[in-house]
Amino acid sequence: DQQVKQNSPSLSVQEGRISILNCDYTNSMFDYFLWYKKYPAEGPTFLISISSIKDKNEDGRFTVFLNKSAKHLSLHIVPSQPGDSAVYFCAASAETGANNLFFGTGTRLTVIP
Amino acid sequence: KAGVTQTPRYLIKTRGQQVTLSCSPISGHRSVSWYQQTPGQGLQFLFEYFSETQRNKGNFPGRFSGRQFSNSRSEMNVSTLELGDSALYLCASSLLAGAHNEQFFGPGTRLTVL
Repeated sequence: DQQVKQNSPSLSVQEGRISILNCDYTNSMFDYFLWYKKYPAEGPTFLISISSIKDKNEDGRFTVFLNKSAKHLSLHIVPSQPGDSAVYFCAASAETGANNLFFGTGTRLTVIP
Repeated sequence: KAGVTQTPRYLIKTRGQQVTLSCSPISGHRSVSWYQQTPGQGLQFLFEYFSETQRNKGNFPGRFSGRQFSNSRSEMNVSTLELGDSALYLCASSLLAGAHNEQFFGPGTRLTVL
C-alpha cells in the first residue's frame, strides 16, 4: 500500500516559469517530509525538508508547502532552469528515531529551454 | 570527502542464485539504510543498520538480509533470486540514525535477474 503518492509521473515546464510538483500522503502519523532529486545513474540527493509543525519552508528557488489537513505537500521551483530536469521524489517519515523513509514513485520534471 | 560508494554497479544473475551487494558509507557516518527502487513502486525501505545492529526493517521477505561491519561498511544479501528482485538497490548513509538526519545516497547497484 503506497502511503506516499505522486500522481503525476511527468511534468514539462518552460525555462523561467514555475514548476509545481505535488505529493499526497495517507498516514497522519508522518511528521517529517523531504524532497529528493535524482539524475540518471546517480543516487537521489536531498533537496529540502519540512517538519509537520511548519507549513512552509524556503531555500533559494525551492519552497515546500505542507497542508496537513489535506495531507498534501508541494514543491515549487521558481524560476525553473534546464538543470532542474530530473526525477523528484517526495518522502515522509513517521518516527523521529527510525530511519524509515516512505517514498513516492517520483515525478520526472523536464524544463524546456 | 568521498561520497557513498556501492559495488558492483551492475549485476546479472539467474533465478535461484544469491547475490551480495556492498556499500561503503561516507567516512564518519554510522547509519546505513538500504532501499529497493522499481518503476512501479518507487523507493522502498529494506533495512537500516546503526553501529552493527539492525534498527529497522521494511516489509520484505526473509530472503533479503544484511549486515554492518565495525567500519560501518554494509552488505546486503538476497538469496534464491526471483525475477521480481530485478531493481536498483540504493544505499544511503547518515551521521546518526533517525529520519531527520540527512541521508546521502550512493549511485546504486542495478540488479537484473534472468
